[in-house]
Amino acid sequence: KQEVTQIPAALSVPEGENLVLNCSFTDSAIYNLQWFRQDPGKGLTSLLLIQSSQREQTSGRLNASLDKSSGRSTLYIAASQPGDSATYLCAGSLSGAGSYQLTFGKGTKLSVIP
Amino acid sequence: NAGVTQTPKFRILKIGQSMTLQCAQDMNHNYMYWYRQDPGMGLKLIYYSVGAGITDKGEVPNGYNVSRSTTEDFPLRLELAAPSQTSVYFCASSYSDRGQAFFGQGTRLTVV
Repeated sequence: KQEVTQIPAALSVPEGENLVLNCSFTDSAIYNLQWFRQDPGKGLTSLLLIQSSQREQTSGRLNASLDKSSGRSTLYIAASQPGDSATYLCAGSLSGAGSYQLTFGKGTKLSVIP
Repeated sequence: NAGVTQTPKFRILKIGQSMTLQCAQDMNHNYMYWYRQDPGMGLKLIYYSVGAGITDKGEVPNGYNVSRSTTEDFPLRLELAAPSQTSVYFCASSYSDRGQAFFGQGTRLTVV
């Protein structure tokens, strides 16, 4: 069974700092991995999706990497802003027919201090 | 740009009552999902559908039922509500199998 872990559970950084959020998974038979952002009381917004054949994806100040062999993904946020404050979730899909479930980590709550 | 729309946003139920959580998407996605999110826990899949008329159980289906009569709609039915069903429920859709997932704003349900 795939398990996804995100450490730390919470992170506080000053504005302008570059930061890395970590996600680890137990099953290397991963099909893809998604990073989401969740604001308080809101739904999830998909940020980046990395296929198992890719090593990284970039969108603006965000860069996500995937290393299947080590069971790790990272989300790099450059030049952090107060508006980046939110909970960030990673979720993995397994390879194989019928594996529709996204397995989520518990998230990292990010606070960017002005 | 409606995306995935869930109604209601909030609901309080008494133990034993029933209700239907509505979910509609306007992106013509075949794949739709219901998740629940409990404090301090990751999201858990309740049911999913790969197209109209086809549904299947996820990780935590007990106490719930779904139907998919159209591509757009995927309602979640709670029968005989229990306090353990107090949670935030999210509906999601994707264009392809394990593709980028689009989530609704959630329904916060409290069973008292």
